[in-house]
Amino acid sequence: GENVEQHPSTLSVQEGDSAVIKCTYSDSASNYFPWYKQELGKGPQLIIDIRSNVGEKKDQRIAVTLNKTAKHFSLHITETQPEDSAVYFCAATETSYDKVIFGPGTSLSVIP
Amino acid sequence: NAGVTQTPKFQVLKTGQSMTLQCAQDMNHEYMSWYRQDPGMGLRLIHYSVGAGITDQGEVPNGYNVSRSTTEDFPLRLLSAAPSQTSVYFCASSYSAGGQYEQYFGPGTRLTVT
Repeated sequence: GENVEQHPSTLSVQEGDSAVIKCTYSDSASNYFPWYKQELGKGPQLIIDIRSNVGEKKDQRIAVTLNKTAKHFSLHITETQPEDSAVYFCAATETSYDKVIFGPGTSLSVIP
Repeated sequence: NAGVTQTPKFQVLKTGQSMTLQCAQDMNHEYMSWYRQDPGMGLRLIHYSVGAGITDQGEVPNGYNVSRSTTEDFPLRLLSAAPSQTSVYFCASSYSAGGQYEQYFGPGTRLTVT
């Protein structure tokens, strides 16, 4: 089955700097890669996703990149703000969408 | 829309007790899933369903049962609670249509087994 690894497990950045979180996956059949943000005491919330036919996708200060050959995908947050502090999860699934496998999470702290 | 609702928010059980965690969604989503979240381990898939009457096992199904008699409801049953089942449980629903897909999570149930 699919296995998703995520690094780093914790990340601290100064406000205004960029943050990068990297993930790898094992199942070459996976072709949908969502990213979730989880604030304290809440459920995860989808922030951006990418499909295997796309190499990069941007949404304001957030971007994701995908390298299918290397089975790597990354989340990039630019101009970080204190409200970006949260736990971020990457995930992978085939486009049957019924079995989404998550990485272990990255705790991001943005220091004012 | 209320989205995905879960009850209860908190629960304490003794070892060997049984209980059902409730999950409901009002978005007419075909897919529903249960995850458990433990420190340092992310979210692990327990069971999932692709529609009413259809369920399947995820990564960590042992000790849990599910059923999906309606599109809206997807309860998770702990048959004989064990301390290893102390965790935060999240229910999620999702849809896929026209190339679009999104998974919505409930607020979670924090379960402690003593």
